[in-house]
This record gives sequence, structure tokens and C-alpha cells, in this order.
Amino acid sequence: QVQLQESGPGLVKPSGTLSLTCAVSGGSISSSNWWSWVRQPPGKGLEWIGEIYHSGSTNYNPSLKSRVTISVDKSKNQFSLKLSSVTAADTAVYYCARLLSSMAVAGTYWFDPWGQGTLVTVSS
Amino acid sequence: SSELTQDPAVSVALGQTVRITCQGDSLRSYYASWYQQKPGQAPVLVIYGKNNRPSGIPDRFSGSSSGNTASLTITGAQAEDEADYYCNSRDSSGNHQGVVFGGGTKLTVL
Repeated sequence: QVQLQESGPGLVKPSGTLSLTCAVSGGSISSSNWWSWVRQPPGKGLEWIGEIYHSGSTNYNPSLKSRVTISVDKSKNQFSLKLSSVTAADTAVYYCARLLSSMAVAGTYWFDPWGQGTLVTVSS
Repeated sequence: SSELTQDPAVSVALGQTVRITCQGDSLRSYYASWYQQKPGQAPVLVIYGKNNRPSGIPDRFSGSSSGNTASLTITGAQAEDEADYYCNSRDSSGNHQGVVFGGGTKLTVL
């Protein structure tokens, strides 16, 4: 089955750019799904960051849109996140996840699977 | 974009039934999905769509929806069900398409 694995630096300096990659195994990133990034600050809830389709189409959380870029590399079967001008408020566990949808029942979407998550700390 | 509202905390006696709710305008157009998250772990899908359980999820978990409210029901709660639960849905308000999460509900099994 499809598995996701996040990778990237665990420490980023304030005002710098956070860069993470999500490797997809057991399936193709070119399948008819959206691929998302979700984050969770310590002790807080889940926040959707954005998503990408294999065609390169993207949607972003309006609150982060000015700082976020999500890209896809079909040759490596992976997608990536860049978040610029980071501050301590961007310290979080970052997850990648696949968004599935039902062909049979309209309006049905769900995240499965999720990566294990990677903690990114913003600190000097 | 839309918001989804959940009660921050709910408790249930061992073996009893508990309902966790999620409210938001996006739920009038999209079904909610529900995730269980235990400390230090990634979220796990427990219910999606009208009332679908992934393989491996016990049948004591069920889902329902009406209007702008979705519910996750645990019938006969077990100690291992103590966790945070999050709802989410697709969101297409205005010109924006994306995803929205509820703030999460901490379930305590007494």
C-alpha cells in the first residue's frame, strides 16, 4: 500500500525558508489524488497548509498562501513544501498526506495515509 | 475559508456511548472525515464519507451527518479510545478550494 515519508532539516533559522520533501512509495504520485501538507504546532491542533495535484495545480491555506510553495517531482515520485520567512510560530510537526475522494459518492474526501511527521523547530 | 467547530473536551465512562460533533458550513456540501490521534503519533483515519470505516477500525466507531453538523459516535468506549479526535472536510467557499480541520476534541475515558 502507499506509504509517505517526510524528510528535511529539523532546525531552521528565523526569517529563513523551511524546506521539506515527502517521498511516495507503493504507488504513483500521478494517480488521481491531491497530495497535502498539514502541520501541528506543539500542543495544538491540525492545520492544513496546502495541496498539489500531479499536474502541478495547487491550492493553499489563505492564511499561509503568501509564504507557501508546494511542488511535485514526478520523476522522483515525491512532492515538496517550501515555507518562507519563518518565525517561531512555524515550529510544528509537519505531515504529508494523500487526499482521496470517492468516485461513487460526491463530496466524499479523506486523508489516507499520513506520513509519520517530522518536527521542524524555528530557532536561532 | 470555512471553519469547523468541535468541543475541546469530552469524557465518557468506560463501556458507555459518546458522540463527538463537528459543525461548519462546509459540511452542507461535503462529508466530514474523522481522525484519531494519540500522543506522539500521526493521525489515523477512523471514519470517512457517509459512514465508512477503514479496515482495522472497530465497528464501535460510526459516523453520521445532518445539515451543517457531522458526528462521530463511539458505542461502548474502550480505554484505548482515549485520544484527540479531529474532523475535516473539503472546503470550496468563494473562489477558494482547500481543506479545513476542526480544532480537535480531547476524549477522556473514565
